[in-house]
Amino acid sequence: DAKTTQPTSMDCAEGRAANLPCNHSTISGNEYVYWYRQIHSQGPQYIIHGLKNNETNEMASLIITEDRKSSTLILPHATLRDTAVYYCIVRVSSSYDKVIFGPGTSLSVIP
Amino acid sequence: NAGVTQTPKFQVLKTGQSMTLQCAQDMNHEYMSWYRQDPGMGLRLIHYSVGAGITDQGEVPNGYNVSRSTTEDFPLRLLSAAPSQTSVYFCASTKGTTETQYFGPGTRLLVL
Repeated sequence: DAKTTQPTSMDCAEGRAANLPCNHSTISGNEYVYWYRQIHSQGPQYIIHGLKNNETNEMASLIITEDRKSSTLILPHATLRDTAVYYCIVRVSSSYDKVIFGPGTSLSVIP
Repeated sequence: NAGVTQTPKFQVLKTGQSMTLQCAQDMNHEYMSWYRQDPGMGLRLIHYSVGAGITDQGEVPNGYNVSRSTTEDFPLRLLSAAPSQTSVYFCASTKGTTETQYFGPGTRLLVL
């Protein structure tokens, strides 16, 4: 099962785009890339997910490289409320027990 | 919809005591799971269920029991609490294996 690596922490100026990278070099063809965030010990919140193509929703954009070995979560206009820990995980489509949450990236949005 | 609810929010136990953490969802999701989160770490899967009457072990199942008698409820039981079980516990549910997970607000457990 693929695992992910993310930077431990990042800073971003308020109003600027936050680009959070994730490496998943051993990802398999049937594994999806998911992003969640956790604000101050609350339950994790789903952000976005994708398989091969880039995805966009009201919260963020997900850019997946063509070889699928890495991805970037983009928060287009970061606000103070986006300060959180961001988790990049990969999920095997047919195996529910293989969800692995690593330590994530702690994003601090600075005024 | 209330989503995923967890009770209690906080609990203090003495070593050796037993308790049940409650989890309920009203979204008719088949899949439910329990995670624990220790300070500065990600979430680790304890047990999960793919439907009523079906449960299986996750990454860290020792010391915990689960059952799934209904689609809505997925309680987590600590039979004999230990200080190593001090953690924040999150319950989650999802419609299918590739669907998004919805997490509850968590239960903060302290075992003395």
